[in-house]
Amino acid sequence: EAQVTQNPRYLITVTGKKLTVTCSQNMNHEYMSWYRQDPGLGLRQIYYSMNVEVTDKGDVPEGYKVSRKEKRNFPLILESPSPNQTSLYFCASSLFTSGGRTDTQYFGPGTRLTVL
Amino acid sequence: AQSVTQLGSHVSVSEGALVLLRCNYSSSVPPYLFWYVQYPNQGLQLLLKYTSAATLVKGINDFEAEFKKSETSFHLTKPSAHMSDAAEYFCAVVNTDKLIFGTGTRLQVFP
Repeated sequence: EAQVTQNPRYLITVTGKKLTVTCSQNMNHEYMSWYRQDPGLGLRQIYYSMNVEVTDKGDVPEGYKVSRKEKRNFPLILESPSPNQTSLYFCASSLFTSGGRTDTQYFGPGTRLTVL
Repeated sequence: AQSVTQLGSHVSVSEGALVLLRCNYSSSVPPYLFWYVQYPNQGLQLLLKYTSAATLVKGINDFEAEFKKSETSFHLTKPSAHMSDAAEYFCAVVNTDKLIFGTGTRLQVFP
């Protein structure tokens, strides 16, 4: 089954304790992205990657790191989480269109993070 | 820069009534536009997309949207609401290497 998986689905942690949220896709997509969803703000992009070893900042990158060492995996790293990073996080992946734009993005089930 | 605006953060309809969720876009190039749906405690899934082919786009679960360049709109409609349509709906526009989302519209369906 074609899918994007995220782990963990739920995480409660404390301020300053480093954590990693994993994301994996089995569709051989070049493009992967991380979003955070907050009430009233919709989804905002944190980081994205257009291929292996190529990553770029989205709209809200502060406090986050990513890496893309393999095509299928795109982990999100919070080196020193703070309470304002409490949110619902989604990973997504896509192909590119013939015109070079990101095409339909397929989303993982989400990770609900609470930082105390 | 590309952007989308969704008018109305909450919409309520009766079961069987018309559903209309509004989305206006801003784009300096011919846009690629999407509607996604998020059911409670789930990720987002694609309802439909416009990529400069037919202006009337049909999606899953009898939803459709019409691209109107003159009005810079891409409103989502469904002729007859079902209880299972209760969800949050997001309009989005592609900006080359980014997907820009609106703030979402929560649809409530009353019996």
